[in-house]
Amino acid sequence: EADIYQTPRYLVIGTGKKITLECSQTMGHDKMYWYQQDPGMELHLIHYSYGVNSTEKGDLSSESTVSRIRTEHFPLTLESARPSHTSQYLCASSEAAEAFFGQGTRLTVV
Amino acid sequence: EDQVTQSPEALRLQEGESSSLNCSYTVSGLRGLFWYRQDPGKGPEFLFTLYSAGEEKEKERLKATLTKKESFLHITAPKPEDSATYLCAVQAPGQAGTALIFGKGTTLSVSS
Repeated sequence: EADIYQTPRYLVIGTGKKITLECSQTMGHDKMYWYQQDPGMELHLIHYSYGVNSTEKGDLSSESTVSRIRTEHFPLTLESARPSHTSQYLCASSEAAEAFFGQGTRLTVV
Repeated sequence: EDQVTQSPEALRLQEGESSSLNCSYTVSGLRGLFWYRQDPGKGPEFLFTLYSAGEEKEKERLKATLTKKESFLHITAPKPEDSATYLCAVQAPGQAGTALIFGKGTTLSVSS
């Protein structure tokens, strides 16, 4: 069973607030990813990292930012949340081919 | 452009009624094809990886196969607990060469 954790699981927040979604893994994986998933739609890559101090933007444009200061930790930050940011955010990590996912954070911006 | 298409979008089966889910892909230089199961409100759970045409993998009532253009997930004698959304993804060379490109999924409902 994969050991990758996301907090919070659910978050309802007002427009304009700054938020950070946490993601931690205990498997020592170098590669980590953030995906965004809307209901009935495919997962889209928004950020990825190949190791400490490495971060890149994915295929889907996102106003969020990420950091990778420690191998096990890959937080995602929204400086000013908007209703358009309402979505499910999924964190994943991999060593070889298979990616293992956390349970996700369901974000609602009101 | 790399693309993954899954069909059908939704599938309703009676318990014990076997069927197959389809995943067709267009990708330059397939590195791997992956199947995941996703339950409502949860993250995807890894099922299988397939690397080359002709390869097959099995796990309980599930069997995944791969050709040069598509993959099938065969479900034999399904049970209600197999109800979930099944996601297909491919890994291809590109900007994020290890990241996955996903299809929209097939939502399977199995009734007793």
